[in-house]
Amino acid sequence: DIVMTQSPDSLAVSLGETATINCKSSQSVLYSSNNKNYLAWYQQKPGQPPKLLIYWASTRESGVPDRFSGSGTGTDFTLTISSLQAEDVAVYYCQQYYNAPRTFGQGTRVEVK
Amino acid sequence: QVQLQESGPGLVKPSETLSLTCSVSGGSISSYYWSWIRQPPGKGLEWIGYIYYTGITNYNPSLKSRLTISVDTSKNQFSLKLNSVTAADTAVYYCARDRYDVSGIFESWGQGTLVTVSS
Repeated sequence: DIVMTQSPDSLAVSLGETATINCKSSQSVLYSSNNKNYLAWYQQKPGQPPKLLIYWASTRESGVPDRFSGSGTGTDFTLTISSLQAEDVAVYYCQQYYNAPRTFGQGTRVEVK
Repeated sequence: QVQLQESGPGLVKPSETLSLTCSVSGGSISSYYWSWIRQPPGKGLEWIGYIYYTGITNYNPSLKSRLTISVDTSKNQFSLKLNSVTAADTAVYYCARDRYDVSGIFESWGQGTLVTVSS
């Protein structure tokens, strides 16, 4: 199984500032034949199911604000939330779909400082 | 817009079978992959497995020996059966639809249903 490790486990950011979450996979999730990274990011608010934010490591899902951006390749990825809003308080998960079983990071909790 | 709704018992006794159904509305179950994902209380997400509308399945090896996922296209539903459950199977169970172009990107989710394993 591909192990996904996120850092930090939690962070507190002031409103309007930038939150950065890192995700590392135990093996590359870059598929050489199409040069795509099989990596997604989800946001989960309390009592709600996860919501897809980003896939292919950097493609925003329709309707997701552009303050959310994804970057990285191979084994190292980053989710950046620029200009943090109060409604961004949530737990964020990275997930690989390079192979089965699909696996998620342990989650990063983002709070307002 | 597609909507997914999980249904089934909220309480299952140890050693018995957990059975859940996901009803799909606002779209056809055809031409997509459909997944089950669970989340123990206060913990992270675990992929259980998927089924393609044709009936092709892929299960998490950690659950494979106890797991069956099936699809009923006539009812626009798919189901999960997990047998010989223990307290470790207590979780919120989500059903989800994968993106049309690739399996593994979970673009639509049900609200989830809490299943507690307890005598």
